[in-house]
Amino acid sequence: GEDVEQSLFLSVREGDSSVINCTYTDSSSTYLYWYKQEPGAGLQLLTYIFSNMDMKQDQRLTVLLNKKDKHLSLRIADTQTGDSAIYFCAESIWGNTGGFKTIFGAGTRLFVKA
Amino acid sequence: DTGVSQNPRHKITKRGQNVTFRCDPISEHNRLYWYRQTLGQGPEFLTYFQNEAQLEKSRLLSDRFSAERPKGSFSTLEIQRTEQGDSAMYLCASSLDRQSQETQYFGPGTRLLVL
Repeated sequence: GEDVEQSLFLSVREGDSSVINCTYTDSSSTYLYWYKQEPGAGLQLLTYIFSNMDMKQDQRLTVLLNKKDKHLSLRIADTQTGDSAIYFCAESIWGNTGGFKTIFGAGTRLFVKA
Repeated sequence: DTGVSQNPRHKITKRGQNVTFRCDPISEHNRLYWYRQTLGQGPEFLTYFQNEAQLEKSRLLSDRFSAERPKGSFSTLEIQRTEQGDSAMYLCASSLDRQSQETQYFGPGTRLLVL
């Protein structure tokens, strides 16, 4: 099946680390992504990881992938109020007719308290 | 190039009317995607084009929905006989398959309200 699940809400204090978790069901994922969406704005790609990698670090962002458990996480170090947004986990898979499709989770709303 | 653009940004229509949305991808991108996003949900995949060929369609794309990309550049999404349940944000994204990974760049979306 094709399903991506995320916790719906996370609240952290400014300066703390945030960890947003995601699970997916399709083992044929090629890439997994984290997108950010701020109110009234479009989706912005934050980072991605290829399915044969375990970890990727990009400045304050660390992505961990546990392929065995189909679990993906995004850690934001030193979380700032400007990080408040909705974070979407997504996986790219091959469709039934030779094309890609991307399956998104419902999004985790991150609220950063000053 | 300023990224993916979509027109119109907002559309209000009466139930039963037809609507058409346009997406202009980043100029050298050969892949184009349409998604639908409702409040509190993530984007739902609708369809995917590789150049002018429509390669993948979601079961969500009923017979009332049709998408085209006639010259492999811009794309249109038409909804016929709109229903209230079609109210959503319609997102377009594009990507370049020569890259080592599938990075999709999203447009700002067209928000549709069906009365």
